[in-house]
Amino acid sequence: EVLLVESGGGLVQPGGSLRLSCAASGFSFSDHRMSWVRQSPGKGLEWLACIKQYGEEKYYVDSVRGRFTISRDDGRNSLYLQMNSLRAEDTGVYYCARGFKPDYWGQGTVVTVSS
Amino acid sequence: QSALTQPASVSGSPGQSITISCTGTSSDVGGYDYVSWYQQHPGKAPKLLIYDVYNRPSGASNRFSGSKSGNTASLTISGLQADDEADYYCSSYTSSVTLVFGGGTRLTVL
Repeated sequence: EVLLVESGGGLVQPGGSLRLSCAASGFSFSDHRMSWVRQSPGKGLEWLACIKQYGEEKYYVDSVRGRFTISRDDGRNSLYLQMNSLRAEDTGVYYCARGFKPDYWGQGTVVTVSS
Repeated sequence: QSALTQPASVSGSPGQSITISCTGTSSDVGGYDYVSWYQQHPGKAPKLLIYDVYNRPSGASNRFSGSKSGNTASLTISGLQADDEADYYCSSYTSSVTLVFGGGTRLTVL
């Protein structure tokens, strides 16, 4: 069974940083691209970033490029999202998902950016 | 990278069929056969229903079907059931090597 479990969310002040993690199991993690997607309160889904196998290429949406960094550790079957210079509009549920066109999703971790 | 356009809401009675549209541009929906559809119940993670325009993942109900014409993709749900009441999102690969989602459609089963 494919399982994705996010962690690392919480309350952070504007301008602060946070690092999200996603532990993957039930499939060959290193064989798959992985993505982060967020959902702002009461809003729709927004794709944020994707990392290719072996981390050789990374792709970002314009709104987070330069502030967020996606990375992976295939030895730990883990995906990460380093978020810097956080803004109020970054508040939301952050999902880890398998693939560039996601097929499996985690349950999400909540990030709140507020003073 | 504008969101794909979906109707805010649709409704139907049990047993009926409904269709949700997803309109983009030639740089996303119209340019690639990489449209996916997701179902999301309140407080839950999205669930994949359709990928690459019309393919169903294993385990997905055959009451869900996808199609595309030009810059518009569509999701059809036949034999509506109470549990189909949820939010539905489309997504598409784009020429900028990103993924873009639609704004979402709330389905109400009357």
